[in-house]
Amino acid sequence: KQEVTQIPAALSVPEGENLVLNCSFTDSAIYNLQWFRQDPGKGLTSLLLIQSSQREQTSGRLNASLDKSSGRSTLYIAASQPGDSATYLCAVRRDSSNTGKLIFGQGTTLQVKP
Amino acid sequence: KAGVTQTPRYLIKTRGQQVTLSCSPISGHRSVSWYQQTPGQGLQFLFEYFSETQRNKGNFPGRFSGRQFSNSRSEMNVSTLELGDSALYLCASSSGLAFNEQFFGPGTRLTVL
Repeated sequence: KQEVTQIPAALSVPEGENLVLNCSFTDSAIYNLQWFRQDPGKGLTSLLLIQSSQREQTSGRLNASLDKSSGRSTLYIAASQPGDSATYLCAVRRDSSNTGKLIFGQGTTLQVKP
Repeated sequence: KAGVTQTPRYLIKTRGQQVTLSCSPISGHRSVSWYQQTPGQGLQFLFEYFSETQRNKGNFPGRFSGRQFSNSRSEMNVSTLELGDSALYLCASSSGLAFNEQFFGPGTRLTVL
């Protein structure tokens, strides 16, 4: 059974710091991995999608990497800003047929202090 | 391009009642998935509909059901509500094809009293 873990559960950093959020999964046979952001009481905003054949994806100040063999992904946020404060979730999709089923981690709640 | 919409945004019900939630996917998307989010269990997959057919189902009791219409809009129904059904219910829209990305709506906050 696939399990997704995110460590740490919470993180507080000063503005301007570069930071890394971690995501690990127990079954390396994944199809893709997606990073999301969730603001309190709101829905999820898709940040980056990495296919299993890719090693990383970049969007602005965000960079996500994927190492299937070790069952790990990281989300790198450069030059953090108070507006980055939110909960970050990673989710894996098992295979091409399970298009709608994502297995989520519990998330890392990030606070960026001005 | 309009995003995923969910109605209603907030709902208060009492135990034993039933509830219907609605989700309109992004135009052109044929897959709608439903998730339940609670503080204790996090995000859990309920089911996925693609072209009016249920394609995947999570591990939830039969009180949770859904359907999808020909215009890809989807509804989720929960019968005989329990206190533990209080949660944020999120729907996600995607093309349903192999390399699809999931886009989520704002959610419906259900409170069961």
